[in-house]
Amino acid sequence: DAKTTQPPSMDCAEGRAANLPCNHSTISGNEYVYWYRQIHSQGPQYIIHGLKNNETNEMASLIITEDRKSSTLILPHATLRDTAVYYCIVRVAGSSNTGKLIFGQGTTLQVKP
Amino acid sequence: AAGVIQSPRHLIKEKRETATLKCYPIPRHDTVYWYQQGPGQDPQFLISFYEKMQSDKGSIPDRFSAQQFSDYHSELNMSSLELGDSALYFCASSYRNEQFFGPGTRLTVL
Repeated sequence: DAKTTQPPSMDCAEGRAANLPCNHSTISGNEYVYWYRQIHSQGPQYIIHGLKNNETNEMASLIITEDRKSSTLILPHATLRDTAVYYCIVRVAGSSNTGKLIFGQGTTLQVKP
Repeated sequence: AAGVIQSPRHLIKEKRETATLKCYPIPRHDTVYWYQQGPGQDPQFLISFYEKMQSDKGSIPDRFSAQQFSDYHSELNMSSLELGDSALYFCASSYRNEQFFGPGTRLTVL
C-alpha cells in the first residue's frame, strides 16, 4: 500500500471549513484514498473514500488532484465534535479479503470555539 | 443500525495470564479485522479473516491467536500476557469496502 503524508496538527475555528491535506505521491492506479477519524480512544470512524473523482457525502467532501498524488478532506462547517485525529489511508478496494488499513501518523484537528 | 460489538469493554489481567477478546461483526459482513492501539500510538493491524479463513496477518505476536467462527464472530486469544500488551484492541467488520469499527476492548496487564 502507498504511504501517505499528513501535517501532524491543525486548528480550525468552529463553524468554518476545515481543509485537511494528504500527500500520496506513490499511489497506484487501483488504490483508493480513504479517510477515517478517531475521536479520543473511540473506534476509528469511516468518513469517505474516492478513486479519482471528487466525492461528497453527509459528513465531508473529498477532493483528489488530477494526478492523484494528493487529496484534501473538507469538513464544511466544523463543530467541536469534529475534534479528532484524521487518517488518510490508501488501499485497494472492492475485495473484502485485501482490506487491512495501514494507519499512519494522521492529523490532529482541534476545533476551537 | 447494528454496530460491531466487542466484549469485554475492559479487562485487567496479570502478567503471564491469558485473555480472550470477542468480536461480533455487523450482520452480513463477511470480513473481520483486529487492530491493536498502544498508548499514544496509531492503530496497528494484527490479523483478518474472510469467510472464516485467515486472509491476512500483520505484526501479531506468536503468543496471540485468533479465529472466526461459523456465525462470523471472532475471538482473539492472548497468552503469556506481557506488560507491553496493555492496549486498546479494536475489531472491525466489512463487506467489500469501508470498515466499521467496534468500541474496543481496553486491556490492562499488571
